[in-house]
Amino acid sequence: DQQVKQNSPSLSVQEGRISILNCDYTNSMFDYFLWYKKYPAEGPTFLISISSIKDKNEDGRFTVFLNKSAKHLSLHIVPSQPGDSAVYFCAATIANAGGTSYGKLTFGQGTILTVHP
Amino acid sequence: DTGVSQDPRHKITKRGQNVTFRCDPISEHNRLYWYRQTLGQGPEFLTYFQNEAQLEKSRLLSDRFSAERPKGSFSTLEIQRTEQGDSAMYLCASSFTGGAEWGYTFGSGTRLTVV
Repeated sequence: DQQVKQNSPSLSVQEGRISILNCDYTNSMFDYFLWYKKYPAEGPTFLISISSIKDKNEDGRFTVFLNKSAKHLSLHIVPSQPGDSAVYFCAATIANAGGTSYGKLTFGQGTILTVHP
Repeated sequence: DTGVSQDPRHKITKRGQNVTFRCDPISEHNRLYWYRQTLGQGPEFLTYFQNEAQLEKSRLLSDRFSAERPKGSFSTLEIQRTEQGDSAMYLCASSFTGGAEWGYTFGSGTRLTVV
């Protein structure tokens, strides 16, 4: 049961353009969503998160959009840089379950982003 | 504090042998998580601790797997009687309680190869 899905295995964009990475989820209990970037031979690095009470969160070149009705979120990177080339993972969690903070992350399969100079 | 440390970085073992991995989390973090990642997949949750208490274990964690966090600081993950299907990257992460807003800090992982 894949509760978090990233349906695009790869994405290729030109430097300076916008990169849009997509993620869908099925579990309506998820109340926090996170994006991670991963380089080879390293652990995932946290990029940005969004609470389910918001529909947008911005941090520098990175913006995450959440559409709860569609159970869909996206990460926008503007402008894209060659150093952004990595695997991007979407993750979701139930941060608060019955008043007790929980926090196990459920990850998508990842999207390989390649930014060409 | 330099982040989450995992040791060893790589481990090659023969099928049937036991292996143990260590994770040192960020010292202020009270939560510690273990994940496993295979090629082409995202990390899969294995287990997590809040301080020294192990609060949840995934169904992926068979009886051959055991994890401990004896003093609420470092943690160990042991795999007994390793099988080829155990070959994967084992990732450790730590966080504060309610840390979703700030993300979870991952270590660089231990890559296990069972031959």
